[in-house]
Amino acid sequence: VQLVESGGGLVRPGGSLTLSCEASGFTFSSTYYDMVWVRQAPGKGLQWVASISGRRSFIYYSDSVKGRFTVSRDNAKNSVYLQMNSLRVEDTAMYYCAREGSGWSGYFDYWGQGSLVTVSS
Amino acid sequence: DIVLTQSPGTLSLSPGERATLSCRASQNIDSNYLAWYQHRPGQAPRLLIHGTSTRASDIPDRFSGGGSGTDFTLSISTVEPEDFALYYCQHFGNSPLFTFGQGTKLEIK
Repeated sequence: VQLVESGGGLVRPGGSLTLSCEASGFTFSSTYYDMVWVRQAPGKGLQWVASISGRRSFIYYSDSVKGRFTVSRDNAKNSVYLQMNSLRVEDTAMYYCAREGSGWSGYFDYWGQGSLVTVSS
Repeated sequence: DIVLTQSPGTLSLSPGERATLSCRASQNIDSNYLAWYQHRPGQAPRLLIHGTSTRASDIPDRFSGGGSGTDFTLSISTVEPEDFALYYCQHFGNSPLFTFGQGTKLEIK
């Protein structure tokens, strides 16, 4: 299993950015594998950001990003995305893509290396 | 909302010593949904334990987890040099869907 994030960079406050995560080594389109985004701000701990179920039936967001971020997936491309709008300085973080273990396991068994997002003027 | 509080914030040990890390929940949680991760700087987080006490694939048996209700622990029987890292507990619940503790740093004494 491999997860590779891309799309990070420097963006101004109020700007937008879209992160991508390409998955390989497992049946990405399976209903058993939800995908999540987790972030780590500088000097802080891990924070769950968003989740999307295997068939895109269920989507959830943390309160801190609800209404600004949109998670999506393209099972044909084995990819999950995080569209981030109205970015704030406090959104600066390393963003990790992770796979939730099969069947609503509640834990993340594989993680990517992360993509750094810096929001600064 | 459930809050996970980890202690100590920093644990200073020498290789070969035993490490005990604590994770306390603000209310009773289902032990099926308590996990632990190791995070080394510059690397992806790594799942160590799920369901409170089940080791993930390829995790050495010096790592063990336990607890119930509001109090959970991660133990490392004999700390190896590669074990010095950050450790997080994590819960799967309702609001928010996933919660992490603030982390414990295991550092070389």
